[in-house]
Formats: sequence, structure tokens, C-alpha cells
Amino acid sequence: NAGVTQTPKFQVLKTGQSMTLQCAQDMNHEYMSWYRQDPGMGLRLIHYSVGAGITDQGEVPNGYNVSRSTTEDFPLRLLSAAPSQTSVYFCASSPPRGGYTFGSGTRLTVV
Amino acid sequence: SQQGEEDPQALSIQEGENATMNCSYKTSINNLQWYRQNSGRGLVHLILIRSNEREKHSGRLRVTLDTSKKSSSLLITASRAADTASYFCATEDRGSTLGRLYFGRGTQLTVWP
Repeated sequence: NAGVTQTPKFQVLKTGQSMTLQCAQDMNHEYMSWYRQDPGMGLRLIHYSVGAGITDQGEVPNGYNVSRSTTEDFPLRLLSAAPSQTSVYFCASSPPRGGYTFGSGTRLTVV
Repeated sequence: SQQGEEDPQALSIQEGENATMNCSYKTSINNLQWYRQNSGRGLVHLILIRSNEREKHSGRLRVTLDTSKKSSSLLITASRAADTASYFCATEDRGSTLGRLYFGRGTQLTVWP
């Protein structure tokens, strides 16, 4: 039981490049979310999903896309990276109305 | 916008002392959750309290919830150096789309040996 697995752990992108942050969970959780964490800002919700085929926007969705084709996977796509997207990204999953299990994070730098 | 607001922003105590952190929020909630984050790591779920509960315990943790004041507190008794971390409250709003969890900015707790 690996929990929530995020890859990669570190990434450096050039402005304008695209990439996908991977997130997988093996706990059969219905809910999955992506957060970004910036110094002094806590965690802000980017996108979330309450089940396969269902996604919705959070507080800061601009510049990011998600899809949820399976219960296990919830990738986050950066379409055209910008320096403002330099952050630490966390994926999390939970059963309905339960506590979230977080991945260990992806530290992204956009230069 | 973030829902929860922790207070204080930073707390420094000696081992063996109790640590109390507070969280205030703005709207009606289904539940409130507390998380711990060690430096450079992901968040770890500590405790969830539902809107119809007033107090919950888990080991050395005690959480209270006052929905009339829209506030919660996390008490860590007999603190240890290993409790040094950032602590976040998070709320799931009542009536909003399920699956949306809002975090505050956190309290940085330092426990000195």
C-alpha cells in the first residue's frame, strides 16, 4: 500500500514549456485534489475530482488542466509554464468526508 | 480565498509544555480537519471533527469546535521536540460542492528540548 505517489519530485522548466505532474493513489479513494503551496500562503486548491470522469476548478485553476479517467490517477498538466507557477505541488486523496492523504510533493521551478 | 485562519502564526515552547493553536473560519462547515507538515514534507492528517461534534481526542491531541464562534482549537499536551512542525486547519464547507477543502496559512510550532 503506497498511498499517494507523486512524480517527479523535482522539476525545472523553461517559460513556455508544458509538462504533466503525475499522481496515483492505491487506496480506492473517490476524492482527489491538487494544491500548490507558496511561502506564507498555505495551500491553495487548484483542481479537484470527486470521482472518475468528474473534475472541477478550485481557487487557482488558471494555467492548469486535469483529467480523471480512472479512480487511481489524477494528472495535473501545465500548458505553458510561467515563473508564477514556481511552487511546491501536492496531490491528495480521501474517501468522501474523510481525512486526506497527501503525496510527498513536487518542487517545480520555472525559469 | 482561504477559509481558515490560524493563530498564532508562530509558537515557540519548551518540551513538556502544552501547545494551543487556534483556527477561525468564515462560513458554515461540514467538518474541520487539522494537519501537520514537517519541513520539506507532505501534510499528515491528524484529526477530523464534524460540525455536530464539540470535542475530539487522539492521543496527546485535543480538538475543540465552536460553530457559533466559527472557531476551533488544537491542543498538544506534553509537547516533544518531534512535534516541531507547521500545523494547518482545513474546512469542508457546508452546502458547497463536495471535495473542496480549504486550508489556512498555518501555525509554525517549535518545541525546544
